[in-house]
Amino acid sequence: GENVEQHPSTLSVQEGDSAVIKCTYSDSASNYFPWYKQELGKGPQLIIDIRSNVGEKKDQRIAVTLNKTAKHFSLHITETQPEDSAVYFCAASGQTGANNLFFGTGTRLTVIP
Amino acid sequence: DTAVSQTPKYLVTQMGNDKSIKCEQNLGHDTMYWYKQDSKKFLKIMFSYNNKELIINETVPNRFSPKSPDKAHLNLHINSLELGDSAVYFCASSQNLQGAEKFGPGTRLLVL
Repeated sequence: GENVEQHPSTLSVQEGDSAVIKCTYSDSASNYFPWYKQELGKGPQLIIDIRSNVGEKKDQRIAVTLNKTAKHFSLHITETQPEDSAVYFCAASGQTGANNLFFGTGTRLTVIP
Repeated sequence: DTAVSQTPKYLVTQMGNDKSIKCEQNLGHDTMYWYKQDSKKFLKIMFSYNNKELIINETVPNRFSPKSPDKAHLNLHINSLELGDSAVYFCASSQNLQGAEKFGPGTRLLVL
């Protein structure tokens, strides 16, 4: 199956700075790459996703980039705010399709006011 | 309020017991999932149903049996609970087969 690696495991940034989280995947057949934000005591929340026919996608302060050749994708958060503090997960679909997601191990982001 | 809801939120039980977790979504989604999140926060899919039909059944012990009475509900029954079953179980749903879109709040299961 698919293997997704995520780095870093923890990340602290000053409020207003940018944060970047990186993921690599192993299955070249993967074609769907969502990102989730999980706040303490809550379920993951889908924040942005990208499909393999697109190299970059942006939604306000959040952007995701995909490099299919290198099999890695990244989440970029600009102008970070304290409410961005959470655990972020990347995921990849694997060859069985978007229905069956393989998750990274998570990044705990702390935004320091 | 449109959402994915789960009951109960907390479940503390003894080894060997049988328990059920219920999930309902009112989003009109066709696909529902069960995920397990362990103590290290690792998320892994357990089951996926599309229009009441089982389409993903990952390597999960037979003690776990999902049931989908209709496409808005996906329940999880666990027999003979073991210590290693302690985790947070999340229900999720999505439109068609596009990947888990909306997660429930989770059920925190502790097996003593």
